[in-house]
Amino acid sequence: LAKTTQPISMDSYEGQEVNITCSHNNIATNDYITWYQQFPSQGPRFIIQGYKTKVTNEVASLFIPADRKSSTLSLPRVSLSDTAVYYCLNNNAGNMLTFGGGTRLMVKP
Amino acid sequence: DAGITQSPRHKVTETGTPVTLRCHQTENHRYMYWYRQDPGHGLRLIHYSYGVKDTDKGEVSDGYSVSRSKTEDFLLTLESATSSQTSVYFCAMRDRVTDTQYFGPGTRLTVL
Repeated sequence: LAKTTQPISMDSYEGQEVNITCSHNNIATNDYITWYQQFPSQGPRFIIQGYKTKVTNEVASLFIPADRKSSTLSLPRVSLSDTAVYYCLNNNAGNMLTFGGGTRLMVKP
Repeated sequence: DAGITQSPRHKVTETGTPVTLRCHQTENHRYMYWYRQDPGHGLRLIHYSYGVKDTDKGEVSDGYSVSRSKTEDFLLTLESATSSQTSVYFCAMRDRVTDTQYFGPGTRLTVL
């Protein structure tokens, strides 16, 4: 199974930049890397996706090194509303999509 | 996401009773997934489907069965519910073009 590894939790303060790193040790050549955000009592929500180098959208940036064994989700100037669980994912197994435990981000005032 | 719904949203049942959860999508995606989420375990894949009548097991499939008789509906059945199946259940559909999953709102199931 394509399990990813990421920190269990992180704390930050409002206005700071937050970087969450994920390990993709058994990523396959044609896998994309995708990050999801989940608030309490809601389903996960797509944030950003990339294949290599850097991708940026209105919410976040995603950095993927050349070997693609890791990825870093960057959230600029976080606010209290960014407190959530963040999951990284790659579809190593084709049809099956398995999530790791996620990173619980707590943003403090 | 408005294109995927789950029913019921909440259910309380007793040990030993059968339970069926429904996931309905309006986006015509081939791939659909059932996950359960428990404190400390993140999301765990139960079963998935890659087309009508095409399903396969995930990480934690024991005690669960699924059916997909039409593209828009993916049913999860607990044949004989146990207290260990108390959980929040999420279904998802997968856009294979963008390789993105879209999740339903979840069903909170309590087995007494």
